[in-house]
Amino acid sequence: KAGVTQTPRYLIKTRGQQVTLSCSPISGHRSVSWYQQTPGQGLQFLFEYFSETQRNKGNFPGRFSGRQFSNSRSEMNVSTLELGDSALYLCASGLSGPYEQYFGPGTRLTVT
Amino acid sequence: QKEVEQNSGPLSVPEGAIASLNCTYSDRGSQSFFWYRQYSGKSPELIMSIYSNGDKEDGRFTAQLNKASQYVSLLIRDSQPSDSATYLCAAGRPGGGADGLTFGKGTHLIIQP
Repeated sequence: KAGVTQTPRYLIKTRGQQVTLSCSPISGHRSVSWYQQTPGQGLQFLFEYFSETQRNKGNFPGRFSGRQFSNSRSEMNVSTLELGDSALYLCASGLSGPYEQYFGPGTRLTVT
Repeated sequence: QKEVEQNSGPLSVPEGAIASLNCTYSDRGSQSFFWYRQYSGKSPELIMSIYSNGDKEDGRFTAQLNKASQYVSLLIRDSQPSDSATYLCAAGRPGGGADGLTFGKGTHLIIQP
């Protein structure tokens, strides 16, 4: 079975720009969660989508948003980028939220 | 604020010995617990999940859960240099909950040949 895929793998953006990241879950998985990982804060939960509905949301500003499509693919958008948004953004898919989640390779975002 | 605490390490263990990694969690509503391994520059890889009190074994790995003490551990037997990585402990609630999975910041494990 193919794993979770994320595109792009690397991204360099300028402050104030916006960015869209994409995630394709493992076939059959309907839950997609997004996390931000930084050296100082570790892995922090952004949000979870299940059957096209945002089911859970972490403590991030409204600049961070996402959506899920009917084929379970998900996108995450960050608007008005700040330097502090530089991080590894990880997508994880699973059958349902609190159970086994499998991570994609991540998108490394650098904001200059 | 739900928290998962881990000793950041580094934890240095000789090759062939047992590595013991520990984690405590603050949310008594947590019902599912996971151990992920993360190599430098890579994404986390799920290695163990545990939902009930007691031990769960999978190859060289044993996860232990004590809900009364809010404590989770991971034992790695016959440690190999390839086990050198950061190990992340995570806890989750049924139905996901407002915070999804809560991760600890990880323990850096070094297996010395």
